[in-house]
Amino acid sequence: ETGVTQTPRHLVMGMTNKKSLKCEQHLGHNAMYWYKQSAKKPLELMFVYNFKEQTENNSVPSRFSPECPNSSHLFLHLHTLQPEDSALYLCASSHGGLAGGQGGELFFGEGSRLTVL
Amino acid sequence: QKEVEQNSGPLSVPEGAIASLNCTYSDRGSQSFFWYRQYSGKSPELIMSIYSNGDKEDGRFTAQLNKASQYVSLLIRDSQPSDSATYLCAVNPSGTYKYIFGTGTRLKVLA
Repeated sequence: ETGVTQTPRHLVMGMTNKKSLKCEQHLGHNAMYWYKQSAKKPLELMFVYNFKEQTENNSVPSRFSPECPNSSHLFLHLHTLQPEDSALYLCASSHGGLAGGQGGELFFGEGSRLTVL
Repeated sequence: QKEVEQNSGPLSVPEGAIASLNCTYSDRGSQSFFWYRQYSGKSPELIMSIYSNGDKEDGRFTAQLNKASQYVSLLIRDSQPSDSATYLCAVNPSGTYKYIFGTGTRLKVLA
């Protein structure tokens, strides 16, 4: 496998369900990300992990719980979501912390389309 | 002021023309800039990265960066209908792991 893979690609859940999104990167990157993309809004950064340590939590509600067991895997655990949480959830990875403060190229997975009923 | 600003479009150009997409950013210390293409229902795909002032060319694509003006652009030469998509500008503020995206510009290439 190559690149960044996400599962499931589509998920429908009720507000009382608990589900998880999974992401795996095969690029040897050290940083992994969760972004949310809603209609007519810019990509919203949710969480950033560098070498499995969380470096950003962009004021995300606690009903979203990230987990990064190692630098290749990232999960987003979902519980008691709201209909407004319906969106495309994108995982990405990059080489962070390059020389001179530069950021490496960010690569996205295909996304998990979430619908909350 | 938004951190990364783009005109939402749509920008319509005839097939074979040059499409010019623009982006401005607010963090003067940013050093890393990226252009992504996103087709409807798909995830963003990296087209170009640029780190230094000036032009960077890759095939039909040219990225231009002017840090003094806090401006980055993407030129698409010989535009094709298959280039019709939303183009996202992203900026990585120096020394952070954050990538800040604009809202994107929708490009329509008319056959």
